[in-house]
Amino acid sequence: AQRVTQPEKLLSVFKGAPVELKCNYSYSGSPELFWYVQYSRQRLQLLLRHISRESIKGFTADLNKGETSFHLKKPFAQEEDSAMYYCAPWKRSDSWGKFQFGAGTQVVVTP
Amino acid sequence: GAGVSQSPRYKVAKRGQDVALRCDPISGHVSLFWYQQALGQGPEFLTYFQNEAQLDKSGLPSDRFFAERPEGSVSTLKIQRTQQEDSAVYLCASSRSAQGYNEQFFGPGTRLTVL
Repeated sequence: AQRVTQPEKLLSVFKGAPVELKCNYSYSGSPELFWYVQYSRQRLQLLLRHISRESIKGFTADLNKGETSFHLKKPFAQEEDSAMYYCAPWKRSDSWGKFQFGAGTQVVVTP
Repeated sequence: GAGVSQSPRYKVAKRGQDVALRCDPISGHVSLFWYQQALGQGPEFLTYFQNEAQLDKSGLPSDRFFAERPEGSVSTLKIQRTQQEDSAVYLCASSRSAQGYNEQFFGPGTRLTVL
């Protein structure tokens, strides 16, 4: 069965400390991988996608095909990073596809 | 101008009532998705439209759920004979591309509470 796992429900870190959000997936084929973020009282929005290999707001995510992981990292957390983060593999199906979102990790950055 | 909008933002229904949830996607967006998000969970895929065609409805939990997008723009998700387990936030998202994986823009959601 296709599965995406975010093992941490809650991550509490101090400002300036590194933060890593884990995401493991179990998929046939090679899904495209995304991270979405939801700040308090805001809509769910794209944070980054693997294919673009960019760093957004200081976050990066490395795809490890051997471990089937796509962990999200930031070397120095800021208070404004407090939010809910969702790992989202995109599974293609013919000419379309769909996201399968993980359960999410709540990040709390304390000063 | 505006992003994806959804109405109503909150809906309280008595068990057994029918409800209709509306989504206005970004103008010109080809792809439209509906998701259901239960408390403490990530969004779960319900159905997908490419223009007016419903190409995937594999996530609809029962035949009480029905979605349409007759003119390829506004979409309505209808739930008949609501049950308590239908209580959730219903999210709509649209995307410019036909494939849909290009950045999906989400609406604010409709929080449905079934008493």
